[in-house]
Amino acid sequence: EVQLVQSGAEVKKPGESLKISCKGSEYSFGSYWIAWVRQMPGKGLECMGIIYPGDSDTRYSPSFQGQVTISADKSISTAYLQWSSLKASDTAIYYCARSRTPVDAFDIWGQGTMVTVSS
Amino acid sequence: QSALTQPASVSGSPGQSITISCTGTSSDVGAYSYVSWYQQHPGKAPKLMIYEVTNRPSGVSNRFSGSKSGNTASLTISGLQAEDEADYYCSSYTTSSTRVFGGGTTLTVL
Repeated sequence: EVQLVQSGAEVKKPGESLKISCKGSEYSFGSYWIAWVRQMPGKGLECMGIIYPGDSDTRYSPSFQGQVTISADKSISTAYLQWSSLKASDTAIYYCARSRTPVDAFDIWGQGTMVTVSS
Repeated sequence: QSALTQPASVSGSPGQSITISCTGTSSDVGAYSYVSWYQQHPGKAPKLMIYEVTNRPSGVSNRFSGSKSGNTASLTISGLQAEDEADYYCSSYTTSSTRVFGGGTTLTVL
């Protein structure tokens, strides 16, 4: 079964760093784009950016440029989302999702990673 | 990039049909046929229901259909069932080479 499996929930303090992961299985990981999508508590979906693991071509949505770093390691079929200094406003569920091209729909989604940032 | 505009909520009785609208601009919905719709049940990940305005992925019921006119896309669900109760989000590719989502619509099956 094609799936994306994300790392577990995290509880962090403001100012701390964090890296969460998304591992693909049962498909050619390097041939599909992986997006990261934020969902703040009780709110809608926001696309943060997208990466092509095949060559690490990465594109950020303007609102998230400079706020997070998206990366991928094709050799272990894993994409990452990281923060260098978390804020309380980063509290959200983060989903990874797959698309065939940068314009295509997201056909497979990870289960989500809840990130809580609180002092 | 502003979010696409969806009604906050819609409702219908079992067996009825409902339509959810998704209004954007000539820079997103009106520019391309890359409009998709996602269903999200509480506590679950979103699920793709419609892609490229009108296409259904394998396994999605044919009770779900999509359309677009100008800057507004629509999702229609016919023969409403209790299991359709969920949040629905539209999404579009934009001329800024980004993806934008709608604010989401909560569907209540009465």
